[in-house]
Amino acid sequence: AQSVTQPDIHITVSEGASLELRCNYSYGATPYLFWYVQSPGQGLQLLLKYFSGDTLVQGIKGFEAEFKRSQSSFNLRKPSVHWSDAAEYFCAVGASYQKVTFGTGTKLQVIP
Amino acid sequence: DVKVTQSSRYLVKRTGEKVFLECVQDMDHENMFWYRQDPGLGLRLIYFSYDVKMKEKGDIPEGYSVSREKKERFSLILESASTNQTSMYLCASSPGSGRKEGNTDTQYFGPGTRLTVL
Repeated sequence: AQSVTQPDIHITVSEGASLELRCNYSYGATPYLFWYVQSPGQGLQLLLKYFSGDTLVQGIKGFEAEFKRSQSSFNLRKPSVHWSDAAEYFCAVGASYQKVTFGTGTKLQVIP
Repeated sequence: DVKVTQSSRYLVKRTGEKVFLECVQDMDHENMFWYRQDPGLGLRLIYFSYDVKMKEKGDIPEGYSVSREKKERFSLILESASTNQTSMYLCASSPGSGRKEGNTDTQYFGPGTRLTVL
């Protein structure tokens, strides 16, 4: 069965600083990989996804993620964080039909 | 724009009550999902449905049932609510037809229902 690990429960960054959120997955073949964001009081919104092809994926709001098969990782990055990026971020892996396993989430705090 | 709506944002119920959570999507999606979200545990799948009247158990189905009589509507039922079912409940839908292994589409989420069972 697939699994996802987000090792950082909480991260604090200064506005304008770069950001990297870590995600490691476990699955035997090439998985479908997703990053979702949840703003306070809201449902989840897709940031980006990887199915195949180029391992560097661009998403919305200036985010990108890189799939590294050798490290079983799919880390999310942003070069310059804005205060509006404060939210909870979930990495997810889909392997069996339409079922997605979510990580436990990383809460991002942005300080001025 | 895909829209997934949930019948209530906040709900307070008493132990032993029967609780219905409703979810409606307007994009003719084949698949619908119910998750619960708890701090430190992320999202856990309760049930999902890949077609009308079809359902499959997720990771934590105990104490829950579901109903999908129409394609656009997916209901989560707590037959006898208990305090350990106090949680945020998220509904989602995704396109994609047929049970094709390894095919996973983007899921679109509703705003969630925060259920408190007293």
